[in-house]
Amino acid sequence: DTAVSQTPKYLVTQMGNDKSIKCEQNLGHDTMYWYKQDSKKFLKIMFSYNNKELIINETVPNRFSPKSPDKAHLNLHINSLELGDSAVYFCASAGSDNSPLHFGNGTRLTVT
Amino acid sequence: QQQVKQSPQSLIVQKGGIPIINCAYENTAFDYFPWYQQFPGKGPALLIAIRPDVSEKKEGRFTISFNKSAKQFSLHIMDSQPGDSATYFCAASRRDGNNRKLIWGLGTSLAVNP
Repeated sequence: DTAVSQTPKYLVTQMGNDKSIKCEQNLGHDTMYWYKQDSKKFLKIMFSYNNKELIINETVPNRFSPKSPDKAHLNLHINSLELGDSAVYFCASAGSDNSPLHFGNGTRLTVT
Repeated sequence: QQQVKQSPQSLIVQKGGIPIINCAYENTAFDYFPWYQQFPGKGPALLIAIRPDVSEKKEGRFTISFNKSAKQFSLHIMDSQPGDSATYFCAASRRDGNNRKLIWGLGTSLAVNP
């Protein structure tokens, strides 16, 4: 069983469109994250979310919004997609304190 | 401002060699230092981690050396194998209110030639 699964694996879309990426974890973790990895492999945290608090990286445009229907899911909605949004987006989850992050296998988003 | 500086950006070694990846930090509030390994098409996965009260930690062929006074830590891979070819990230974690904040290095792309 996949611990952190995200769909779709690939997403190709045009500028200006709105898209969503789904993430589910079956580890019972309290906190979930969205990361963006650019072509140089740099990992940038976008959001962290638990059932109490949403923490937003202030550099993330408000076109990006996380939506959590329940503790096991954290979806990412992106409005008005831009060319610069092309990247691999990773969902991750973690338990308490310094427990390791468990990542999904990523969604490669290409905006044309 | 990069709070965790990682070097080199890329590294090529022969099978059996000992690649070393170095990281440095400034903030003494960091209290946990994990290394993540990422294979192409996969998400990063925790490889090994250390706390600053320990100077060295070994897990199999992977060793972290930690120098608290210099605020540096490094990953050594003994008897490296082609299957170790991946991107390696160091990170540093600290408390941030009720949460923890994880700061990532920029990554090192390692290629181990057969």
